[in-house]
Amino acid sequence: GNSVTQMEGPVTLSEEAFLTINCTYTATGYPSLFWYVQYPGEGLQLLLKATKADDKGSNKGFEATYRKETTSFHLEKGSVQVSDSAVYFCALRNPDRGSTLGRLYFGRGTQLTVWP
Amino acid sequence: DTAVSQTPKYLVTQMGNDKSIKCEQNLGHDTMYWYKQDSKKFLKIMFSYNNKELIINETVPNRFSPKSPDKAHLNLHINSLELGDSAVYFCASSRDRGTYEQYFGPGTRLTVT
Repeated sequence: GNSVTQMEGPVTLSEEAFLTINCTYTATGYPSLFWYVQYPGEGLQLLLKATKADDKGSNKGFEATYRKETTSFHLEKGSVQVSDSAVYFCALRNPDRGSTLGRLYFGRGTQLTVWP
Repeated sequence: DTAVSQTPKYLVTQMGNDKSIKCEQNLGHDTMYWYKQDSKKFLKIMFSYNNKELIINETVPNRFSPKSPDKAHLNLHINSLELGDSAVYFCASSRDRGTYEQYFGPGTRLTVT
């Protein structure tokens, strides 16, 4: 089946620290992979995505590379800011045909808090 | 110009009541979704509609009934509310089922007392 496992939080960092949030997946077929971010009191926003192996998604200084050999899609940022404090969700989209086409499977979310 | 909107933002009600949450998208998308986020932030899909047709119906109690009057709207009606229904409910939409990312609404925080 399809599933996503991401590191449990909370993660607490000082401003300008390096961030890594680990994400691994299990999937039938070749899924697309996503990172979504949820700021306090808001809905989820797409942060970045990758649709095939070795693709690198990037946005707002965040990056993640689709690694098929390790079934991973780790999120990284070189220098975090206080404004990056949020919950981050790794997700995969089921590529299979049929009734579950397009369904997103989410990890459990990782709370990031950045202190000044 | 909110892309995916939900009403109400907050909903506090007593056990046993019936309530509805409305969702509208102005993106011209064909597919809409309802998700439930529990107190630990875990997100789980509940329903998905494509062109007003139900395509995903997860193991959700029959008390939950989605209704899609047109492609731009997907409402969620809940009968006989229970304490365990307290959660944040998110609506989302995508251009179609297969290849496009989903856009989420701001969420409705439901509290059942």
